[in-house]
Amino acid sequence: KAGVTQTPRYLIKTRGQQVTLSCSPISGHRSVSWYQQTPGQGLQFLFEYFSETQRNKGNFPGRFSGRQFSNSRSEMNVSTLELGDSALYLCASAEGPATNEKLFFGSGTQLSVL
Amino acid sequence: QKEVEQNSGPLSVPEGAIASLNCTYSDRGSQSFFWYRQYSGKSPELIMSIYSNGDKEDGRFTAQLNKASQYVSLLIRDSQPSDSATYLCAFDGQNFVFGPGTRLSVLP
Repeated sequence: KAGVTQTPRYLIKTRGQQVTLSCSPISGHRSVSWYQQTPGQGLQFLFEYFSETQRNKGNFPGRFSGRQFSNSRSEMNVSTLELGDSALYLCASAEGPATNEKLFFGSGTQLSVL
Repeated sequence: QKEVEQNSGPLSVPEGAIASLNCTYSDRGSQSFFWYRQYSGKSPELIMSIYSNGDKEDGRFTAQLNKASQYVSLLIRDSQPSDSATYLCAFDGQNFVFGPGTRLSVLP
């Protein structure tokens, strides 16, 4: 069974631009969660989608948004990029709603904002 | 109080020794607890889950949970250099919450 696939692997953007990241979960998994990881803050929860509905949202500004499609694939969008958005963005899939479930992570998208 | 606290390390142990990693959490309602391992430059991978008080063993790994003390630990027996990584504890709070991680270094 294929693992969680994230694209692209690396991204370089400039301040003010917008970016869209993609995540394909493990086949059969209906939950996709997104995390931001930085050396200083660790893994910070962004949001979770389950069956196309956002279940939970972390403490991030509205510039961060996401969606999930009927095939469980998910996209995350960051608008008006800031330097502080430079981070590794990880998505994780789970069979059911993420709480109480084991998470399986993708390789991440390394975003650099210049 | 922070939701999850872990000693950031680095924790250094000699090869063959027992490594003990600790985690405390604040949400008394949490029911599920996990340990993830993250190698440098890689994504986290699940190594243990524990749901009830007591010990759970899986190979060289033992997870211990004490809900009354809001404490979960991970013991790694016969530590190997390949165990050198950052270990993240996680639990089901309002969201899925990860600790800051403890960096473990196993010295040959």
